[in-house]
Amino acid sequence: QQKVQQSPESLSVPEGGMASLNCTSSDRNFQYFWWYRQHSGEGPKALMSIFSDGDKKEGRFTAHLNKASLHVSLHIRDSQPSDSALYFCAARSTGTGSNRLTFGKGTKFSLIP
Amino acid sequence: EAGVTQSPRYAVLQEGQAVSFWCDPISGHDTLYWYQQPRDQGPQLLVYFRDEAVIDNSQLPSDRFSAVRPKGTNSTLKIQSAKQGDTATYLCASSFRDWGGEDTQYFGPGTRLLVL
Repeated sequence: QQKVQQSPESLSVPEGGMASLNCTSSDRNFQYFWWYRQHSGEGPKALMSIFSDGDKKEGRFTAHLNKASLHVSLHIRDSQPSDSALYFCAARSTGTGSNRLTFGKGTKFSLIP
Repeated sequence: EAGVTQSPRYAVLQEGQAVSFWCDPISGHDTLYWYQQPRDQGPQLLVYFRDEAVIDNSQLPSDRFSAVRPKGTNSTLKIQSAKQGDTATYLCASSFRDWGGEDTQYFGPGTRLLVL
């Protein structure tokens, strides 16, 4: 079973619209989370990290973490053409001393022309 | 500041051939990672180093894959006798150790491998 599950698989919104991407972990050891964005032909780039319950806002992006339910979300407001990409949720365990990141399968986000 | 660089960007092989990938991490980053990203999937860790030491290679197919980082800077990932199932993008990432576990990994552009 995938330890980090993302939904939806794909998402389309009009330019200027708002989008919500979801990520759920099945491993309670996962306590640190990142959102990465990957444009076609490039490597993933870290958008933001979130380690504490609640919201974290960076520009047009807001992440929300609920450790009790192991749920992380990413909200994008005022969507721009440059936001069209694959978005990955990545998680790291605590207590093992390992830097291993476990990625979800990704959400393909695109703008409706 | 220069990012993570990788070469080559593309490689096409016949089954059974060998290939090497090279990675130059961000200057000052002590931790280096190699990931495999199959098409339409997220990256999956193969191996990672802290300085020159291998920390985790549990997901590295040791019979055909090998990775080294001899001076704790650049790294090479090698596939001996490639198989069609190795077709994927190979990503290198680096980070600077944070004892709180909050270090962010920075990825290079990747090498896209096609095994025919």
